[in-house]
This record gives sequence, structure tokens and C-alpha cells, in this order.
Amino acid sequence: DVKVTQSSRYLVKRTGEKVFLECVQDMDHENMFWYRQDPGLGLRLIYFSYDVKMKEKGDIPEGYSVSREKKERFSLILESASTNQTSMYLCASSIRQGEAFFGQGTRLTVV
Amino acid sequence: GENVEQHPSTLSVQEGDSAVIKCTYSDSASNYFPWYKQELGKRPQLIIDIRSNVGEKKDQRIAVTLNKTAKHFSLHITETQPEDSAVYFCAVERGDYKLSFGAGTTVTVRA
Repeated sequence: DVKVTQSSRYLVKRTGEKVFLECVQDMDHENMFWYRQDPGLGLRLIYFSYDVKMKEKGDIPEGYSVSREKKERFSLILESASTNQTSMYLCASSIRQGEAFFGQGTRLTVV
Repeated sequence: GENVEQHPSTLSVQEGDSAVIKCTYSDSASNYFPWYKQELGKRPQLIIDIRSNVGEKKDQRIAVTLNKTAKHFSLHITETQPEDSAVYFCAVERGDYKLSFGAGTTVTVRA
């Protein structure tokens, strides 16, 4: 019973490319999140959305943007990929003060 | 943003012993404190959570304690088993409803 789905498990992109990471949830959750996970740094919040068309910057938004046109879909955009954006990207959704459900993650390599 | 500090970063315990992980946070408006377990190659999953009106919560071998005055909370695992080996993350839902994570604790249970 998959609840949060990320469009790709692995991606390899070239420096300067525009990259889209897609996330879809089927639980009608208001909140959606994008994190990056790096060894020793935990999960760092990139962007957060609490409703359709609403977005807020997280702790490390530089170099990223997001789009939420529909409640179930939250997209992360790397406008011009750089090697320091090589990482594991995790999408999650939740209700307020509720369990966050994570996608399976996208391992992005920028070469 | 919210500063969530988690200690220790690694923890090795003998099977059957207890494990304790501690987290501190900075936003006094925070009201929700979940703990996630991430097994190797898998997505983080909620194992227990506590809300600000409760000081302690227990679920079988896992317990969480919260001290809002001191702004810290802890995860306790008793009678550890090999399947408890994983990375554990504390998290805090901030006053602005964003969910921030600690850097993680790698727990290894030795047989």
C-alpha cells in the first residue's frame, strides 16, 4: 500500500541542467515537504507546503524552487544543477501534528 | 530555523541492554515530537511520538520522555534486539508547522 511516491529512484544529471523531482501522495494530506539527506547531517528541510499553491522556505532553500498546483503533487526544481546538490532527496506528507509518510527517496548525482 | 540537536551520533549496545538517545530544540512553541527509524536502504518510518501535553509515552520496548521546560526529549529502547539496529531521528514540529529533524543516531546492537 504505497502512500507517497517519488517519480525516480535514481537520477544522473549534468551540471547546469534543470532537474524536476516529482512527489505524489494519495492520503489527502495538507502538508508536504522536501528534504535532502546527507551523511552526518540528517534530514534538512528544503521547502514546505501547507496547501495548494502555498510554499515556504525551509532551512536550505538556496538553489531550489517548488511547485504545488494540486494537493496531491509537490515538485522540487533545481534550476541549474550543481555538484553540491548531489544527495538523497526525500519527499514526505503529513497532517498537522501527525505522522509524516516518506517516499522511497531519489538519489540524485550531478556530474 | 529550528535547531534540533541529537546525541549521540553513534551508539553500540550489547543485545539485551538499553539504548538512550537525547534531543534538544530551541522553539518553545513546538508541540509535536516524533521519532523515526530508518533501516538501511529504506525510508524513515515513525516509531513513536509525543505531544506537548504528555510527559512520557510508552509502546512495548520503546518509550519517549519530554521536558518542555528544558526543551529536551529522549528515546529509550529497552531489551535491545538485533532488529533495533538502524538510524534513529528525532524531529520537532515547530511553531510554524515545519518539521525539523536531528542529525540522526546510528544504533548498532551487538549479538
